[in-house]
Parts: sequence; C-alpha cells; structure tokens
Amino acid sequence: DVKVTQSSRYLVKRTGEKVFLECVQDMDHENMFWYRQDPGLGLRLIYFSYDVKMKEKGDIPEGYSVSREKKERFSLILESASTNQTSMYLCASRGTGNDEQYFGPGTRLTVT
Amino acid sequence: GEDVEQSLFLSVREGDSSVINCTYTDSSSTYLYWYKQEPGAGLQLLTYIFSNMDMKQDQRLTVLLNKKDKHLSLRIADTQTGDSAIYFCAESHDYKLSFGAGTTVTVRA
Repeated sequence: DVKVTQSSRYLVKRTGEKVFLECVQDMDHENMFWYRQDPGLGLRLIYFSYDVKMKEKGDIPEGYSVSREKKERFSLILESASTNQTSMYLCASRGTGNDEQYFGPGTRLTVT
Repeated sequence: GEDVEQSLFLSVREGDSSVINCTYTDSSSTYLYWYKQEPGAGLQLLTYIFSNMDMKQDQRLTVLLNKKDKHLSLRIADTQTGDSAIYFCAESHDYKLSFGAGTTVTVRA
C-alpha cells in the first residue's frame, strides 16, 4: 500500500517561529511537491523537487524554503511564520512519466 | 501561469447524475485529471484522460474532454452520499500539476 505521510495533522505556532513540516514517501519516487490549500483558491504549488538536493520554486515560494537530503523525505520550512501562512499544507510524490501523484493527509497549520 | 477554473459548489439529489465542469488554458497539457478530497483527507486520484481522447468511462465516472474549447467535465452516475467531497480538476505541465479551486459536491437525500 503506497504511502505519503506527514509529520503532523495539526500544528499551532506563534508568529516569528521557525516551522518544519516533514513529508516521507515509501514509493521511491523522484518527484516530491509541497502545496498549500486555501478555500476558494484550490491547491497552489510552493516548491517541488525532482531529485535529491534539487529543488525548484513553484507558484508561491515566498516565505518558504525546502530541503531534500534523502530521496524519501521532503521538508518544508517556514523561516519566520506569519499569520498569512495559516493554511492546510499538502505533500505529494510522483514517479516518472504519468505516474499518479500521491498525496499525504495534510497538515493544518495555524499561526497565531 | 496556467489557469484552471471550476465552479465552487454543486448540490445533487441522491441517485441523480452529477456533472462537474472545468476549463483550463494550457493547450499543451498532455493529461487532465480529476481528484477527490474527502473531509480531513488528502487528495485521491479518481481518473485521468489523455489529451488526444474525447471521452473516458470508468464504472460510474465519465470524463469528457473538448480540447478545442479547453473544457473538461466529470459525470458521476447514480450519485451516492459517499460521493460528497471536493472534486479538483488538474492539468499537467512538465511534471507539475495546476489545480482548480475545487467543486464541493453535496449529496442530499
């Protein structure tokens, strides 16, 4: 059974804190993605990675960074959390070609 | 960037057919997808269609693609309460997907 797991389902942080969201996949996928989901806006791509140590900016990278030191793990980092980063964060992974993109269950982050 | 648009809400009676519509702008998309998100869960792929196809049927699901108008639809036959969810249309570009805002489908008895 394929799996994408995220370290937390719910997270509450204070403004200015550094926040780490972790994602792990067990499918040996090359490509991994971080999205944020907001009502009425759908999913917006923050960053993606197509290989270890490789990353590319998505549509809304400002205020975020990522790390991919191992193939199975892709971390999203909020250097200094702000209230406008309160959102649902979804991680996904995908193999090559038209392999299905598999999603994790999401982390609902609240920044107060 | 790519734009994918879909209506935000759909209410349907149990047993009726649901039709969710989507328009996209990137004519170079090779695949178009429908994802389903149940409450509290991530997205799950429902079906996809290759851009050179007009129609794809999979049990209760029918996908229609009008490439000229860049219009995609998902029809769910005999809609059940378990079909209540948010449905996302997505188009592929390189290895990225662009998603619509999602259509919340509510099935009423």
